[in-house]
Amino acid sequence: NAGVMQNPRHLVRRRGQEARLRCSPMKGHSHVYWYRQLPEEGLKFMVYLQKENIIDESGMPKERFSAEFPKEGPSILRIQQVVRGDSAAYFCASSPGGRGTEAFFGQGTRLTVV
Amino acid sequence: GQQLNQSPQSMFIQEGEDVSMNCTSSSIFNTWLWYKQDPGEGPVLLIALYKAGELTSNGRLTAQFGITRKDSFLNISASIPSDVGIYFCAGQRPTGTASKLTFGTGTRLQVTL
Repeated sequence: NAGVMQNPRHLVRRRGQEARLRCSPMKGHSHVYWYRQLPEEGLKFMVYLQKENIIDESGMPKERFSAEFPKEGPSILRIQQVVRGDSAAYFCASSPGGRGTEAFFGQGTRLTVV
Repeated sequence: GQQLNQSPQSMFIQEGEDVSMNCTSSSIFNTWLWYKQDPGEGPVLLIALYKAGELTSNGRLTAQFGITRKDSFLNISASIPSDVGIYFCAGQRPTGTASKLTFGTGTRLQVTL
């Protein structure tokens, strides 16, 4: 059973470009979470999605950031018009849902904006 | 957003020593989780705690869910070099279905031979 798969592992974008980060959850998991981690800091929640629905986006910046989890295919975190401050590690986690279920993390995508 | 306070922030210990770290919050959580993160990798779940007062072990690791639901601690016994990494606590406050995790600030563990 493959774990949570994120790609790319590393992404370099120039200021003003778009960044697309992909996350394929573990088999059987229908809940996906995105977190951002700045160097030397803990992970901060961004958005929680179930298939085709955004459940909680309270941690997502209101502008330039969007997330989706379509019926078919991976979850996508999209950052438009990237700025240097978007440079960070972005982690995806998945869980099967329900109370007491544990979330498992992918290896992350390290975004560098130059 | 809220972050949980972890202490110590970092620690150097000698191989074979026991390690203790804790995590505190100003609000209640229903679930406490402890993760370890190696450089360049994602967090890996070590222990999950679901009930106040619960004490759970996983090999050399032992964690407890505080009675007040506002804290948790993690102990590592007889540390070895591969214990090096950053340890994060995380609290979860489900309201029906699984919900987001709130992470601690991390404890960086370094082991000297």
